[in-house]
Amino acid sequence: DAGVIQSPRHEVTEMGQEVTLRCKPISGHNSLFWYRQTMMRGLELLIYFNNNVPIDDSGMPEDRFSAKMPNASFSTLKIQPSEPRDSAVYFCASSPPGARRTDTQYFGPGTRLTVL
Amino acid sequence: LAKTTQPISMDSYEGQEVNITCSHNNIATNDYITWYQQFPSQGPRFIIQGYKTKVTNEVASLFIPADRKSSTLSLPRVSLSDTAVYYCLVGLISSGSARQLTFGSGTQLTVLP
Repeated sequence: DAGVIQSPRHEVTEMGQEVTLRCKPISGHNSLFWYRQTMMRGLELLIYFNNNVPIDDSGMPEDRFSAKMPNASFSTLKIQPSEPRDSAVYFCASSPPGARRTDTQYFGPGTRLTVL
Repeated sequence: LAKTTQPISMDSYEGQEVNITCSHNNIATNDYITWYQQFPSQGPRFIIQGYKTKVTNEVASLFIPADRKSSTLSLPRVSLSDTAVYYCLVGLISSGSARQLTFGSGTQLTVLP
């Protein structure tokens, strides 16, 4: 089992540029989560998909952020335009069907984003 | 919103038992309490989960009092490899929502030789 795959692992960009982060959940999982981690705010849930449909996006900071899940094996988190305060580690996690608790989230290795 | 509060850091020595407490005063009736471990440059990893009373697995125990307003993660006989950040998470996932999943600020546990 390859686990949750995220790409790129590191991204350095300049303010104003568009950034796209990618995630491949574990095969068979039907829930997907995007988190952001910073020193100041800790680990924050940005958005939650279930069966490819966004269910809870209350954590998405603002209109510059958007997330899509076109199919069960792929999701993107896009920031346009990027700002220095978006610098953080972005994690993707997935859960199998029937998960009604919080223990079954499997996290990817994260993407470290630096916006200059 | 079930906000959680944890100590920022703790130090321990190898072989000792470590107890980390998380406060979650506004926990909802259906919320579960989950603890994750995170090493540098890695994503969080599940340790243990509970709803009430006591839960034990091969790596830890979780104690939850009757009012469920706090929980304590107990790590028996820690080793240097247990040095990590430990997060308390309160919430519930269902097909309808992520029920305000809230990670605590995390506790940096440092195990000394």
